[in-house]
Amino acid sequence: GAGVSQSPSNKVTEKGKDVELRCDPISGHTALYWYRQSLGQGLEFLIYFQGNSAPDKSGLPSDRFSAERTGGSVSTLTIQRTQQEDSAVYLCASSFHGSYNEQFFGPGTRLTVL
Amino acid sequence: GQQLNQSPQSMFIQEGEDVSMNCTSSSIFNTWLWYKQDPGEGPVLLIALYKAGELTSNGRLTAQFGITRKDSFLNISASIPSDVGIYFCAGSPFGNEKLTFGTGTRLTIIP
Repeated sequence: GAGVSQSPSNKVTEKGKDVELRCDPISGHTALYWYRQSLGQGLEFLIYFQGNSAPDKSGLPSDRFSAERTGGSVSTLTIQRTQQEDSAVYLCASSFHGSYNEQFFGPGTRLTVL
Repeated sequence: GQQLNQSPQSMFIQEGEDVSMNCTSSSIFNTWLWYKQDPGEGPVLLIALYKAGELTSNGRLTAQFGITRKDSFLNISASIPSDVGIYFCAGSPFGNEKLTFGTGTRLTIIP
C-alpha cells in the first residue's frame, strides 16, 4: 500500500525483555517520527529523523529507548529491558521535507509489557 | 517548549448537531493541522492550515487559522455517527519540523 506501515500490530512481552518495532514510511518521505500514546492520552514525541542529519532524540524517555533508520527509509525502535510503564501504542509518522509538516501516521504497534 | 491547550476535552452530542473545538498555543505557530483518530488506528490528517486568518473546509469540516497565529478552530456541521473519535490539533512554529500535539477532544454521539 501507499501508506505508512508498522509491524507488528500487537506485541506482548515479559518485563525485562527487549522489543523491536518496525516502521516503513511512505516512499519518498524524508522525515520520520516516532510517538508514544498511552491509553486515552495524547501523542508523546520520541525521536525524529530527517534525511542524513543526526536524529533529534530529545523525546526519548530513557537510555533503554533507541531508534535507527537504515538507508533513509525503514526505521526500527528498540526498547531494552522493557518495563510495565512502557506499555502503550507506538506510532510512526512520515512527511515530505518542505511539506509544512503534514505528517502521515501508521496504524501503530500496541505494546503490552506483562 | 510549546504548549497546546485543546478544549473541550470531551463532547457528548446528538446526531445532527454542530460541533466546535479549539486549540491555543503559548507561542506563534506557522502551521496548524487537525487530525482524527479512530479506535485502534493512527491519526488521520483532516485539514492543514498555513496562513493566519485562513479558513479551509473539507466536506462538513471547517477549520480556521487564528489571526493571532496562536489559535485554531475546528467546526463539524451536522454530525453523523462516523464523526465519533478523538480529534487532535497540532502545530509548529516556522522552521521547526516537529509538531506539538494538543491533548485531544473526544467526540461521542448520544443515540
